[in-house]
Amino acid sequence: DAGVIQSPRHEVTEMGQEVTLRCKPISGHDYLFWYRQTMMRGLELLIYFNNNVPIDDSGMPEDRFSAKMPNASFSTLKIQPSEPRDSAVYFCASSLSRASTIYFGEGSWLTVV
Amino acid sequence: RKEVEQDPGPFNVPEGATVAFNCTYSNSASQSFFWYRQDCRKEPKLLMSVYSSGNEDGRFTAQLNRASQYISLLIRDSKLSDSATYLCVGDSGGYQKVTFGIGTKLQVIP
Repeated sequence: DAGVIQSPRHEVTEMGQEVTLRCKPISGHDYLFWYRQTMMRGLELLIYFNNNVPIDDSGMPEDRFSAKMPNASFSTLKIQPSEPRDSAVYFCASSLSRASTIYFGEGSWLTVV
Repeated sequence: RKEVEQDPGPFNVPEGATVAFNCTYSNSASQSFFWYRQDCRKEPKLLMSVYSSGNEDGRFTAQLNRASQYISLLIRDSKLSDSATYLCVGDSGGYQKVTFGIGTKLQVIP
C-alpha cells in the first residue's frame, strides 16, 4: 500500500525564494496534517484539513506560510519568501478519522541559506 | 505551558534493562493518547495507543493516570533496536488536533 507521499525529499534554496512542498495523502483518509520539526521545538502542527477544508491553521507561523488542499489527493505548503529560520523537516500526515492513527510521509528536508 | 511535556533525555541504558518514560499533559479534557516512535532521520510511526486501563504489547506497557495527568511507557528487556526517540501524543479534547511532545531519546548500549 502506498503511504503518504511527499516531494521534494530534500530542498536547498536561497533566502527570499518561494518554496512549495507537496503531499499526497493515503487514499480514503479524511484528515491531512502539515507538521514542522526542529530540534529546538520538536514536532509542531502547522495546519490540518478535514475533507479538504482547512480546520485549524493557528500553527502557521506567519503570513509567509500558506497551505491548500484543492482535492482529496493533493495538498501543498508554500513558503514565500523563505527565510533561514524556516529550515526544518516538514512532514505531511494523514489519518482515516478522528482519533485514529496518523501516518506520516518521509518528510521534506528544507534548508534555506 | 506546553500541552504535552516530556523529558528529552537522552536516556542511556544497557541492553536488557527496563526503562520508563513519563509524559504530562495539561488539557484535562484530552481523551486520546498515543506513543509514537521516531528513528533517526525518519518519520514518526505509531508505537501504541494508551488506554485508560493500561495496555501491553510485548515488552512495551503504556499507562494513563488521569488524576495526575500523565502517561507512561515502560520498556522491558531493552534491545539495541529500541534506540529511538519516543514521542508522547495527546489530543486537544475530542477534536482531531493532537499535540506531540518533544520526544524522549533512548539509546540502548551493548
